[in-house]
Amino acid sequence: GAVVSQHPSRVICKSGTSVKIECRSLDFQATTMFWYRQFPKQSLMLMATSNEGSKATYEQGVEKDKFLINHASLTLSTLTVTSAHPEDSSFYICSARDLRQAEETQYFGPGTRLLVL
Amino acid sequence: AQSVTQLDSHVSVSEGTPVLLRCNYSSSYSPSLFWYVQHPNKGLQLLLKYTSAATLVKGINGFEAEFKKSETSFHLTKPSAHMSDAAEYFCVVSPGNQFYFGTGTSLTVIP
Repeated sequence: GAVVSQHPSRVICKSGTSVKIECRSLDFQATTMFWYRQFPKQSLMLMATSNEGSKATYEQGVEKDKFLINHASLTLSTLTVTSAHPEDSSFYICSARDLRQAEETQYFGPGTRLLVL
Repeated sequence: AQSVTQLDSHVSVSEGTPVLLRCNYSSSYSPSLFWYVQHPNKGLQLLLKYTSAATLVKGINGFEAEFKKSETSFHLTKPSAHMSDAAEYFCVVSPGNQFYFGTGTSLTVIP
């Protein structure tokens, strides 16, 4: 149980294009999902908290107009990197909390490797 | 304020010997504590968690961790390392709604 998937696992795009990454909780419902960014050999940096049916909460320094988050259902959140540039190349990881659990455990997706040329 | 310190950025052990990955935390509240493992180019897998029940927590793959409030520590141990344990390990503190990550410890297992 508690499986989170991400799609795509890897994407290469040209500078200036937009890329959408999907995060799905496969066997549980998640009112809250989180989007992280991880640079090589570094820890995870929280970008935003995605709440079903409401606007995402962005961390300081994260551009909400560049990283669009939509949490349309209890099992799906999407992150769209708009007008991507090479500096946006990174490993993006989502996580989700199980609606049924009172505790704070986050279940992580396998990550999406984005390379912007 | 919340913070997590993983005292070693890199640990090397021989296969079959014990593993100790150290983690100290700072929290204004009684936190939940987690250890996650990340293999190369993969997401994070939950190893174990402490949520104010037993202070000695057993996780998957033979790992365990002990919550010591007096020392504000939550060190991860395993009696005998396997080659498959080579990965990045993250200690996480959660006082409530948000995760605070340590900087990670890279574990190398020498055959």
